[in-house]
Amino acid sequence: AQSVAQPEDQVNVAEGNPLTVKCTYSVSGNPYLFWYVQYPNRGLQFLLKYITGDNLVKGSYGFEAEFNKSQTSFHLKKPSALVSDSALYFCAVSGPRGSNYQLIWGAGTKLIIKP
Amino acid sequence: DSGVTQTPKHLITATGQRVTLRCSPRSGDLSVYWYQQSLDQGLQFLIQYYNGEERAKGNILERFSAQQFPDLHSELNLSSLELGDSALYFCASSPRAVGVNEQFFGPGTRLTVL
Repeated sequence: AQSVAQPEDQVNVAEGNPLTVKCTYSVSGNPYLFWYVQYPNRGLQFLLKYITGDNLVKGSYGFEAEFNKSQTSFHLKKPSALVSDSALYFCAVSGPRGSNYQLIWGAGTKLIIKP
Repeated sequence: DSGVTQTPKHLITATGQRVTLRCSPRSGDLSVYWYQQSLDQGLQFLIQYYNGEERAKGNILERFSAQQFPDLHSELNLSSLELGDSALYFCASSPRAVGVNEQFFGPGTRLTVL
């Protein structure tokens, strides 16, 4: 069965430090992976996706994610955190073709950036 | 702004009542998804419509139903409401039904059942 895990409920980072939000997945076949961000009282916003090609994917707001097939991971990263990056981050993996590529969502990780 | 609109923003009602949530997708998007987000259960996929037809079902209760109209807007109907139905309900849209598409989310409707 397809699944995605975000092992940390919350990540705390000091402003200016690098940040990593972890995501691991389990899917049959080639994974299609996504990161979304949800700011307080807002809907989710698409950040980036991995379909194929370069393992390092660049997205919005200076975020990037690294696809690691051997570790079945797709961690979200940013070299220098901003207080405004504080939000809820969701990782999602696309299910197989038979599921119409439905997105399977992680539980979310709350990112807190402290000044 | 994602281009997806949802009304109303807030809804307060009583147990046993019925409500309708409305969603207008981004211009040109044919696929609409409904999600429920609650504190204890995270983001739950409810149902997907593509060009007026139901395409996929997730964890949607029998008390809930949805439809997509010819103008592509969608409505989610929640009936016999229970306290546990209090949540944020999101609509999202994408251009197609299948394939690897990112979804564009509306601002959500916050439902409070008293």
